[in-house]
Amino acid sequence: NAGVTQTPKFQVLKTGQSMTLQCAQDMNHEYMSWYRQDPGMGLRLIHYSVGAGITDQGEVPNGYNVSRSTTEDFPLRLLSAAPSQTSVYFCASSYFTGSGNTIYFGEGSWLTVV
Amino acid sequence: GQQLNQSPQSMFIQEGEDVSMNCTSSSIFNTWLWYKQDPGEGPVLLIALYKAGELTSNGRLTAQFGITRKDSFLNISASIPSDVGIYFCAGPVGETSGSRLTFGEGTQLTVNP
Repeated sequence: NAGVTQTPKFQVLKTGQSMTLQCAQDMNHEYMSWYRQDPGMGLRLIHYSVGAGITDQGEVPNGYNVSRSTTEDFPLRLLSAAPSQTSVYFCASSYFTGSGNTIYFGEGSWLTVV
Repeated sequence: GQQLNQSPQSMFIQEGEDVSMNCTSSSIFNTWLWYKQDPGEGPVLLIALYKAGELTSNGRLTAQFGITRKDSFLNISASIPSDVGIYFCAGPVGETSGSRLTFGEGTQLTVNP
């Protein structure tokens, strides 16, 4: 997990509040993405970016915004938190090696919305 | 979207036993990845497979990329207590296939000493 840093590790929000989950990587990876993980389910993609200035929606984008102003940073914003957004959030980064791709994850951010 | 079916959902084994889990898809994948997630941590890459038929080892772990490109297997030999965790298969989706993954639902492994 070295190289992908997420903050905060834990956060409790009230319904309707907004907040930003920070993600930074120091590996000069082009690609970054955000996933959420819910009990009994695999990770699901929220948003992703293939380079600075470029973002796109994943499988479950509603209620979240992202931006990619630099290669290193990819913050995830919750616009108006809802209890359904209680989850564990993982940021990831990757690069293309020519023979394939490997994706590396941060340690996760535990978010509870009450 | 593409879905990965991973089985079994959970396994309870004795230390020293071998473990096998698999992942199947209705779609072809060009890459198969196997991750392990420890409690309170993010997934950590175990093995990456890039060619159909490829068999790759990482210590006691061995993974294979199915010839049909629609399945993959992960085997753990001589399990130890620190093998406990959730194992996920994953494959890239979309045109910029390095940017995002779809995951199986995971296999929860418990190893009894």
